[in-house]
Amino acid sequence: ETGVTQSPTHLIKTRGQQVTLRCSSQSGHNTVSWYQQALGQGPQFIFQYYREEENGRGNFPPRFSGLQFPNYSSELNVNALELDDSALYLCASSTIGAVNSPLHFGNGTRLTVT
Amino acid sequence: AQKITQTQPGMFVQEKEAVTLDCTYDTSDPSYGLFWYKQPSSGEMIFLIYQGSYDQQNATEGRYSLNFQKARKSANLVISASQLGDSAMYFCAMREGVTAAGNKLTFGGGTRVLVKP
Repeated sequence: ETGVTQSPTHLIKTRGQQVTLRCSSQSGHNTVSWYQQALGQGPQFIFQYYREEENGRGNFPPRFSGLQFPNYSSELNVNALELDDSALYLCASSTIGAVNSPLHFGNGTRLTVT
Repeated sequence: AQKITQTQPGMFVQEKEAVTLDCTYDTSDPSYGLFWYKQPSSGEMIFLIYQGSYDQQNATEGRYSLNFQKARKSANLVISASQLGDSAMYFCAMREGVTAAGNKLTFGGGTRVLVKP
């Protein structure tokens, strides 16, 4: 059973640029969620995808967007990067509808915006 | 009001001793789940233990146990026989509801645990 994998592990971008982060879900999971974790804080929910459609969104602007592919892999896209977007971005997968199903997280992508 | 509150920003614990990490939550949904995750300095989030709102017994997983007090809305994590490898950030998180949108977790601010030899 393969776990959740994210790429790249680190990324440095300039303010105003665009970035794409990638995630491969754990085998057998059909839902993927993305979280932003600023330094010293708990993760904040960005959005989740189920059946290739956005299915729940946190308090993040539209410049944060995503995709889920038929193989359940996913992308997080952030346009017009701001300094405050610097954070650890975590991808998590799970099985929807199973209330006790924990989210399985990847190791994250650490994004630095300069 | 914050949905998940962890009041202890940091704790020291002696190796082989037990430690209790506090977590209080706020929800009006009768169906919810509570999770604890461990985050080492490497950044990965490791699932430790789960407690459902309808579970009659406190959850246990190896050295981890959850002291669930529903009326007080608290879900404290107890780590027994602490090991040096337990040094990490610990997050309490809640999932509300069982609908398709219910795979969103709300996290607390975390507690940093440092185990001393």
